[in-house]
Amino acid sequence: GAGVSQSPSNKVTEKGKDVELRCDPISGHTALYWYRQSLGQGLEFLIYFQGNSAPDKSGLPSDRFSAERTGGSVSTLTIQRTQQEDSAVYLCASSFEGQVQHFGDGTRLSIL
Amino acid sequence: SQQGEEDPQALSIQEGENATMNCSYKTSINNLQWYRQNSGRGLVHLILIRSNEREKHSGRLRVTLDTSKKSSSLLITASRAADTASYFCATAPGGGADGLTFGKGTHLIIQP
Repeated sequence: GAGVSQSPSNKVTEKGKDVELRCDPISGHTALYWYRQSLGQGLEFLIYFQGNSAPDKSGLPSDRFSAERTGGSVSTLTIQRTQQEDSAVYLCASSFEGQVQHFGDGTRLSIL
Repeated sequence: SQQGEEDPQALSIQEGENATMNCSYKTSINNLQWYRQNSGRGLVHLILIRSNEREKHSGRLRVTLDTSKKSSSLLITASRAADTASYFCATAPGGGADGLTFGKGTHLIIQP
């Protein structure tokens, strides 16, 4: 079966623009996670969706970041008014009922 | 924020040798996981060890866990060029479906 799919794989945008990153989890997985990976901060947890429960947003770095998960499947991570420090690889993962997380290959975001 | 540290940060060995990486963490855990990341790719789950386990094996991988010292080690025996990657340990406070907290990783290079 297909793994976690993320799009786009690369995104270059100008400072101040909004960006949307998409994650298609593995079919049937109940939990979905977003992480950010940067040289300075390493791998950071951002947000987590479990079923129909309210998401755990504890890792979002600022109010410019938001995420939604429609119909318990596809998720989008939105960054508004991007800043250069938002440049990073954004990784999505999914899991079934608290089991091992399966990661996509990420979206490499570059803010000019 | 980072849970802890892996050491060494980088390790270069000859093919066929064994590679040992260490990880320390700060909070109490339910389990500890090791992941591998090839350049430009997402993370791949390698092995999970529960807090009541001291050692676990999977193929050429051996993981140990010392909860009294809040540390773990990953041993890769008979290394191969394909083992070249970054290796991360990860923990989750509740151990279930929580977002993972990753260490900074060890970059392993296997010289042919």
